[in-house]
Amino acid sequence: DTEVTQTPKHLVMGMTNKKSLKCEQHMGHRAMYWYKQKAKKPPELMFVYSYEKLSINESVPSRFSPECPNSSLLNLHLHALQPEDSALYLCASSQGGSGSPRRTDTQYFGPGTRLTVL
Amino acid sequence: KNEVEQSPQNLTAQEGEFITINCSYSVGISALHWLQQHPGGGIVSLFMLSSGKKKHGRLIATINIQEKHSSLHITASHPRDSAVYICAVEIWGSNYKLTFGKGTLLTVNP
Repeated sequence: DTEVTQTPKHLVMGMTNKKSLKCEQHMGHRAMYWYKQKAKKPPELMFVYSYEKLSINESVPSRFSPECPNSSLLNLHLHALQPEDSALYLCASSQGGSGSPRRTDTQYFGPGTRLTVL
Repeated sequence: KNEVEQSPQNLTAQEGEFITINCSYSVGISALHWLQQHPGGGIVSLFMLSSGKKKHGRLIATINIQEKHSSLHITASHPRDSAVYICAVEIWGSNYKLTFGKGTLLTVNP
């Protein structure tokens, strides 16, 4: 199984809502990533988890709150978002190494969640 | 100036043509990734390179570390190859950093 799954596929939310994006992989990978991609732009790295610990936070606003409850699951909790946060949110995983993703590994991407903030 | 530059930005080819997409970067890197993104979002990792050349089916990727340059070649192109191809460089310093190029939109016409 080389699949990374993401739910939901699409999400529309208001600025006062609280919602969560979910990412799951069963490849035994220990590094997981959240990316944000605006239309016609390349992805931007948001967070990296290694061995269920947050190892990198690319100065992402606190209205985005990641969580890694176990080695297979990565959540992104959303609260008080702005319309400019509307984007495709991509999750990825890689084999990873101890402490942080120190091995240069192939990343496997999920299909993404297309988020619209009204 | 972006750390990662791709060229061309857009490329239109006829089915069967040989295609080359280029990626140049300005910093020392640990690895370079070539990714493919079809309309609708999903990204597929094609190659990860730190030296030399890799081949997978009709796709070939090369990297020249000294010249800070990589190329992605597609032989016998097909309309299903139409996608955005993205180069990304991985840097290990005090922190991990992954920087993406802006992508090359490839359209292969039948």
